[in-house]
Amino acid sequence: GAGVSQSPSNKVTEKGKDVELRCDPISGHTALYWYRQSLGQGLEFLIYFQGNSAPDKSGLPSDRFSAERTGGSVSTLTIQRTQQEDSAVYLCASSLADRGLYNEQFFGPGTRLTVL
Amino acid sequence: KNQVEQSPQSLIILEGKNCTLQCNYTVSPFSNLRWYKQDTGRGPVSLTIMTFSENTKSNGRYTATLDADTKQSSLHITASQLSDSASYICVVSAGSWSGGGADGLTFGKGTHLIIQP
Repeated sequence: GAGVSQSPSNKVTEKGKDVELRCDPISGHTALYWYRQSLGQGLEFLIYFQGNSAPDKSGLPSDRFSAERTGGSVSTLTIQRTQQEDSAVYLCASSLADRGLYNEQFFGPGTRLTVL
Repeated sequence: KNQVEQSPQSLIILEGKNCTLQCNYTVSPFSNLRWYKQDTGRGPVSLTIMTFSENTKSNGRYTATLDADTKQSSLHITASQLSDSASYICVVSAGSWSGGGADGLTFGKGTHLIIQP
């Protein structure tokens, strides 16, 4: 099991509830990314972690979104007070090093979030 | 504004036939271009990466081309198989964080390819 894993694979929640999405990157990968993929749209960058540096949160759409990465490994994306427009597939990716020129991102299978 | 446009949006072809997917970009400065394959319910997987100086790169039945002058790339699939049914995403990387969302990458919306038996 050397790939990126995400859990849960599917999450259905009611509007206004909080949700937590988890990402386990490939062991040894220092860079971790979260993306959102809405139906018919391209991947939307949310947040980026690299080692012990401060994360790049510039893609988070609102203050209801936050993410942590503990111990440089597992990451959790939290969405508070979910809205229907938050419904999407949330993808996590990891790579060996900085978002340099040729570092390949390895993606997890995603978490499909449905907000009713 | 950095953009990546892919065409067609969707494509249906018969098994065994060839097809070509297009990617036009306006990302500047340009660093590299990747084609990803995304199976339904899975994350994207890299097929090829091309830099400024590369014109053609193959990966099995997949051949990518790049024209850096016209800022166009294509992905040609030869002798299509049912397992080729997927979305194909073109991703262009800027040489610095001067463009492409907040991570230097601009993603196309993908071409949804269906191979029929």
